[in-house]
Amino acid sequence: QSALTQPASVSGSPGQSITISCTGTSSDVGGYNSVSWYQQHPGKPPKLMIFDVTNRPSGVSNRFSGSKSGNTASLTISGLQAEDEADYYCSSYTSISTPLYVFGTGTKVTVL
Amino acid sequence: QVHLQESGPGLVKPSETLSLTCAVSGGSIRSNWWSWVRQPPGKGLEWIGEIYHSGSTNYNPSLKSRVTISVDKSKNQFSLRLSSVTAADTAVYYCARHMTGANTFDSWGQGTLVIVSS
Repeated sequence: QSALTQPASVSGSPGQSITISCTGTSSDVGGYNSVSWYQQHPGKPPKLMIFDVTNRPSGVSNRFSGSKSGNTASLTISGLQAEDEADYYCSSYTSISTPLYVFGTGTKVTVL
Repeated sequence: QVHLQESGPGLVKPSETLSLTCAVSGGSIRSNWWSWVRQPPGKGLEWIGEIYHSGSTNYNPSLKSRVTISVDKSKNQFSLRLSSVTAADTAVYYCARHMTGANTFDSWGQGTLVIVSS
């Protein structure tokens, strides 16, 4: 199972909106509404930001939103803030032969 | 608020077995699935495998031949064993809780760095 494809880096100015893509296949992203997004600051564990494509856990800012079209999922961060600078990983559930989880290659978000 | 804490040796010799434990506090290990995820330095995340309190497991096919995940309900903890390690297994190892009703990880331990070196 190959990693999901994300852009290596995305940048934006404070207040702007950015979108990170996550491309998989019909066996993972396209086949299940089980895409998650995680934020990871240096030296810290990942933090769940979006689950089941569009849902935000309690406590996560509504500036973060998720969507999916076909085999590509997206995370949009609106009103970009300095604290949003971090690495972001998508993840999808897949169950070709056995249940498993596949992560994206990761995207470094830089706030200019 | 559930808390997960990884523990184990930070240095393992090549060809030996890596062993880690994840202690769960603030919640019961009987209530969810639990996973191990690793991250090589400067690289992305890789799911290793999962376990339910019943002992049911699923493993990443790429690691399946070397991985064993077990649970100790009496101690509210679960463990990872990875055999025949090489330098490629050097990584930060995280334990994580699956969110109830969703295929995602909603709580993570702080992670522990394991270096494979002689």
